[in-house]
Amino acid sequence: DARVTQTPRHKVTEMGQEVTMRCQPILGHNTVFWYRQTMMQGLELLAYFRNRAPLDDSGMPKDRFSAEMPDATLATLKIQPSEPRDSAVYFCASDRGQLTEAFFGQGTRLTVV
Amino acid sequence: AQSVTQPDIHITVSEGASLELRCNYSYGATPYLFWYVQSPGQGLQLLLKYFSGDTLVQGIKGFEAEFKRSQSSFNLRKPSVHWSDAAEYFCAVGPGDSSYKLIFGSGTRLLVRP
Repeated sequence: DARVTQTPRHKVTEMGQEVTMRCQPILGHNTVFWYRQTMMQGLELLAYFRNRAPLDDSGMPKDRFSAEMPDATLATLKIQPSEPRDSAVYFCASDRGQLTEAFFGQGTRLTVV
Repeated sequence: AQSVTQPDIHITVSEGASLELRCNYSYGATPYLFWYVQSPGQGLQLLLKYFSGDTLVQGIKGFEAEFKRSQSSFNLRKPSVHWSDAAEYFCAVGPGDSSYKLIFGSGTRLLVRP
């Protein structure tokens, strides 16, 4: 059963600490998305990659957020330093890059205290 | 600019009643449209999608949606709601070109009365 895997599922950290969230897209999918979900803003697209190249990261605060795909099986989203306003659920999704269904992971719930 | 509007934040229906969730989009060209469902603590699951062709699309779990270009709408319907349908529903639009990215509406939370 192919699925997008995100780790960790939950993360509590102190303000100022670095946070790294990981995503394993479905094998064969060449597009990876990062979304942030909050009560106030809903689902916001932070960044997305196609064939490991960043296509759009305009939704991401550049000063503290960074997204990479070291290889086709791993996408990372880093926050350094983290702030309480970063508390949210971060979702990764992947698809085949041809407007097929985007599959979502179960998310990483981040709490910054 | 692309945008998706879901005007209803919450909807409550009785089990067995029919359901319609509204979605309006703003996009210059033919959009690609999706409905996703999110259960508490879970990721999003695709219910159905519209790319082209028949404007009435069938999805999983008995859901359907109708694309109406003249109204810029893509409303989701179900003839008889089950208690397990209680969840949050998101409409999304994707432009379909090389800059493709999925833009979501703010969601509609469905509550089902026994």
